[in-house]
Amino acid sequence: AQTVTQSQPEMSVQEAETVTLSCTYDTSESDYYLFWYKQPPSRQMILVIRQEAYKQQNATENRFSVNFQKAAKSFSLKISDSQLGDAAMYFCACEPNSGYALNFGKGTSLLVTP
Amino acid sequence: GAGVSQSPSNKVTEKGKDVELRCDPISGHTALYWYRQSLGQGLEFLIYFQGNSAPDKSGLPSDRFSAERTGGSVSTLTIQRTQQEDSAVYLCASSLAEDGYTFGSGTRLTVV
Repeated sequence: AQTVTQSQPEMSVQEAETVTLSCTYDTSESDYYLFWYKQPPSRQMILVIRQEAYKQQNATENRFSVNFQKAAKSFSLKISDSQLGDAAMYFCACEPNSGYALNFGKGTSLLVTP
Repeated sequence: GAGVSQSPSNKVTEKGKDVELRCDPISGHTALYWYRQSLGQGLEFLIYFQGNSAPDKSGLPSDRFSAERTGGSVSTLTIQRTQQEDSAVYLCASSLAEDGYTFGSGTRLTVV
């Protein structure tokens, strides 16, 4: 079984600043994938970034990067140079390589202020 | 199509009625998933289809919920005798191997 915990229900950041969203997970799997998804009011889940657990190098996608600490089972998302369009719900998710269903945290609502 | 399409976008139904929610996955995607998102919650896995294999129904919350996928493409999620606790957003996703999931915009179901 897997559990994903996002301990910050809401976060706020000023435009152009940097914010970090926290995520911890628990899994008995030796190989798995970790994801951050963004959900704007349109409801569609948009993939922000993906990390394979066997890779030590932290994934980066433009202004988005992760801090993956495998031993601590931590997977935080850093958003640099925040933009108004980054405002959304952000969900952390874990998928076992032996399985197929994404397990999601409860999400963090990110507010970006001008 | 270019993305995962779900219909209807919104559905209001009376308690006790049956509803059908439709998902058109991306053409060629062999895997299809249904998730439920209740207010203020994360996504809860419901059911998974992979090619012609028997679906994994382990996430369905009760026997009032069922789903089918015809011809390896379109899927329908059916909820019988709807209850107020069924009110949620129902999201569909499709994927092809390691390419990751593509989600639709969901159906918001309201049971009154």
